Amino acid sequence: EAQVTQNPRYLITVTGKKLTVTCSQNMNHEYMSWYRQDPGLGLRQIYYSMNVEVTDKGDVPEGYKVSRKEKRNFPLILESPSPNQTSLYFCASRTYSSGNTIYFGEGSWLTVV
Amino acid sequence: SQQGEEDPQALSIQEGENATMNCSYKTSINNLQWYRQNSGRGLVHLILIRSNEREKHSGRLRVTLDTSKKSSSLLITASRAADTASYFCATDDIYQGAQKLVFGQGTRLTINP
Repeated sequence: EAQVTQNPRYLITVTGKKLTVTCSQNMNHEYMSWYRQDPGLGLRQIYYSMNVEVTDKGDVPEGYKVSRKEKRNFPLILESPSPNQTSLYFCASRTYSSGNTIYFGEGSWLTVV
Repeated sequence: SQQGEEDPQALSIQEGENATMNCSYKTSINNLQWYRQNSGRGLVHLILIRSNEREKHSGRLRVTLDTSKKSSSLLITASRAADTASYFCATDDIYQGAQKLVFGQGTRLTINP
């Protein structure tokens, strides 16, 4: 089954404690992206990757890092989380041959206290 | 500001009625997509309409696109309680492509039994 898998799905952490949200897709997609969703602000793109070792900033990259060492994985790293990073995070992927349809993971609820 | 902006922000109708949601955008686009999100879950692709198309159907969904007005509408006919969800339009800038797929803030649709 085609899937984008994120972990953890739910996390409460403390300010400053580094954390990583993993994302994996089994569709051999070239493109992967991270979004955050906040009330009243919709989905905003954090980072995206066009392919292995190719990453670029989205609209709200501050406080986040990403890496794309393998095609299937695209982890989101919060080096020093702050309360304003409390949000619902989505990983997504697509392949260039399927048009622009994007497949989303189920989301990761992150609370920073 | 967000490329896609949905209207209304919230819509509540009776089961069996039709639901219409609108989306406006600002730049020239390659295509426009509609996604559905059940509460707190990942977004699911519903339908894509290309910039050279004016109308598209998929089951109970009908999407129209007016590039002169930079707007689109999503019509759900014969609504069901299971249609209760948030609906988002997403557009890609003709110059930036899918890496800048931008989502609106969504319309929250409630179908009352």
